[in-house]
Amino acid sequence: QVQLVQSGAEVKKPGASVKISCKASGDTLTAYYIHWVRQAPGQGLEWLGWVNPNTDEIRFPQKFQGRINMTRDTSVSTAYLELTSLTSDDTAVYYCAKDLKLGACDFWGQGTLVTVSS
Amino acid sequence: DIQLTQSPSFLSASVGDRVTITCRASQAINNYLAWYQQRPGKAPNLLIYLASTLQSGVPSRFSGSGSETEFTLTISSLRPEDFTTYYCQLLKDQHTFGQGTKLEIK
Repeated sequence: QVQLVQSGAEVKKPGASVKISCKASGDTLTAYYIHWVRQAPGQGLEWLGWVNPNTDEIRFPQKFQGRINMTRDTSVSTAYLELTSLTSDDTAVYYCAKDLKLGACDFWGQGTLVTVSS
Repeated sequence: DIQLTQSPSFLSASVGDRVTITCRASQAINNYLAWYQQRPGKAPNLLIYLASTLQSGVPSRFSGSGSETEFTLTISSLRPEDFTTYYCQLLKDQHTFGQGTKLEIK
């Protein structure tokens, strides 16, 4: 059974960047896509993108063009999400998740709260 | 981009009731839809994928149906732990989520 453990909460100032980690245990990161999803306080779920385990290709919504990156380091079974040029709209809990089938995710990290505040 | 619209946004029901949540897609999406349950402060939990496939370990009172543009999640007999929020998700392209349906105790 896969377990995904994310890094701890972050507080950032507007304009800064954040990099969140997602460490997998129980399986290797090379076997499945990793998705990233966020949830602003009191709001719904927003898909941020995925990283292809075989090619390192990433896919994400156009709105994040230029300020999002998703990577993985298989040597430490860890995936990373980096988001730059943060604004208060980026305040949210960020989740990593393992793809079961075509984007349906069966295992999730515990979430990382990112707070953007001056 | 394909949009998903859930209805209703809020639903009041009682323990033992049968309830249905609808998710409509702005374009035909075959059966590329999943359903999640999310409890407050917790990560989403996959219930159904490919419109009607029950995820392993999910109780059989949950079921999904539909294709192309209209999908439903049905809970056959509500239990106390089912009163929480449900989301549909597109399983292609932008993997968009619906806006959510909050199921409350009447």
